Amino acid sequence: KQEVTQIPAALSVPEGENLVLNCSFTDSAIYNLQWFRQDPGKGLTSLLLIQSSQREQTSGRLNASLDKSSGRSTLYIAASQPGDSATYLCAVIGGAQKLVFGQGTRLTINP
Amino acid sequence: GAGVSQTPSNKVTEKGKYVELRCDPISGHTALYWYRQSLGQGPEFLIYFQGTGAADDSGLPNDRFFAVRPEGSVSTLKIQRTERGDSAVYLCASSLGPILNTEAFFGQGTRLTVV
Repeated sequence: KQEVTQIPAALSVPEGENLVLNCSFTDSAIYNLQWFRQDPGKGLTSLLLIQSSQREQTSGRLNASLDKSSGRSTLYIAASQPGDSATYLCAVIGGAQKLVFGQGTRLTINP
Repeated sequence: GAGVSQTPSNKVTEKGKYVELRCDPISGHTALYWYRQSLGQGPEFLIYFQGTGAADDSGLPNDRFFAVRPEGSVSTLKIQRTERGDSAVYLCASSLGPILNTEAFFGQGTRLTVV
């Protein structure tokens, strides 16, 4: 059974810092990995989708990498802003065709 | 539509009552998913539709939960004899095709509170 772990559970940093969020998964036989953002009381907003044949994807200040063999992904946020404060979730998709989520990292950017 | 729409956004019901939660996927998306999210946790899979049929309902916790998608678009999640433990945010997502290589888009969720 696929299990996804996100470390740390919570992170607080000053505005302007670059930061890395980690995601690990137990079964490397995945088709893709997707990072989401969730604001309090809201649904999930898709940030980046990395297909299994890719090693990274970039969107603006966000860069996500994928290392299937080691079962890891990282989300890099450059020049963090208070508006980046949210919970970040990673999810993997395997042959079962469903997203399996981690518990998320709650990020706070302090002005 | 512009995005995945879920109604109602909030639902408070008494223990033992029946509830229906609705999901309108993005137009043209053939795949639809229901997830449940408890406070402080990641979403947990409930059921996956490809078209009108439930391709995988292995996440439904028990027979009080049922979902339909009769015309391959709108889906309804139905919960009978609600219990306090059913309180959670119910999320719906859709994707253009099977999710193996396409992006999933989520709605805002329905917050269900059973009192």
